Amino acid sequence: SAVISQKPSRDICQRGTSLTIQCQVDSQVTMMFWYRQQPGQSLTLIATANQGSEATYESGFVIDKFPISRPNLTFSTLTVSNMSPEDSSIYLCSVSTSNYGYTFGSGTRLTVV
Amino acid sequence: SQKIEQNSEALNIQEGKTATLTCNYTNYSPAYLQWYRQDPGRGPVFLLLIRENEKEKRKERLKVTFDTTLKQSLFHITASQPADSATYLCALGLYGSNYQLIWGAGTKLIIKP
Repeated sequence: SAVISQKPSRDICQRGTSLTIQCQVDSQVTMMFWYRQQPGQSLTLIATANQGSEATYESGFVIDKFPISRPNLTFSTLTVSNMSPEDSSIYLCSVSTSNYGYTFGSGTRLTVV
Repeated sequence: SQKIEQNSEALNIQEGKTATLTCNYTNYSPAYLQWYRQDPGRGPVFLLLIRENEKEKRKERLKVTFDTTLKQSLFHITASQPADSATYLCALGLYGSNYQLIWGAGTKLIIKP
C-alpha cells in the first residue's frame, strides 16, 4: 500500500496566522483526501483534492479558509488560514488503496493560541 | 437522523481473552464497512473491509461480522495482547459515494497483561 509522509507533525500557531500542511505520497494517486479529527470525535472530511482541478469541499468547509493545492499526482497541501483557537485539531491526509481501504498520513497536531 | 455509534467508554480486556467492539448505525444503507486501528499521535491504519452481502470476514486474529438487519458490525480480536491496545474506528462506505466514508468516533481498547 502507499506510504504518506505528512509534515509538520505538530505546530503551535498564533491566531490570525496561516499554516500549510504538506503530504507526499510514494506513488501516484488520483484523489487525496483531507480530514480533521478533534479529540474524542470522528474524522470529518474537509475536501477531496484531484490533480488538475479545484478541490471539492464538504459542507461547512470553504476554500478561503482551507485552500488546497494539488500540483501533481504525489503531492498536496492544505492551508489553514486566519486561524482561531477553534481550528485546533489534528489534520490528516489520506489516499485510497487498491483493496478499498484508506492509507493515512501520521497527522498534524495543530494548536492555535 | 443518521448516525454511527461506537462505545465511547474504554474497553478493558485481560490479555489472552477475546475483545469485542461494536459499531452501530442508523438510517444508512452501507455498501461496506471498514475497521481501522489508531494509535496515539498517528493516523488510522486500515484493518478490514466487509461488504454488505458478507456476514463475516477474518484476518489472522481479527474477525468482523456485519448484520445489516441489526445495523451492526462486531469486531473481534482473539488471544488479545497488550500490543493490541489502541483506538479502533469503524467507517461506513455508502452506495453512490465513491469515496466518502462515515466515521465512528472510535473505541479505546486496553489490553491488560
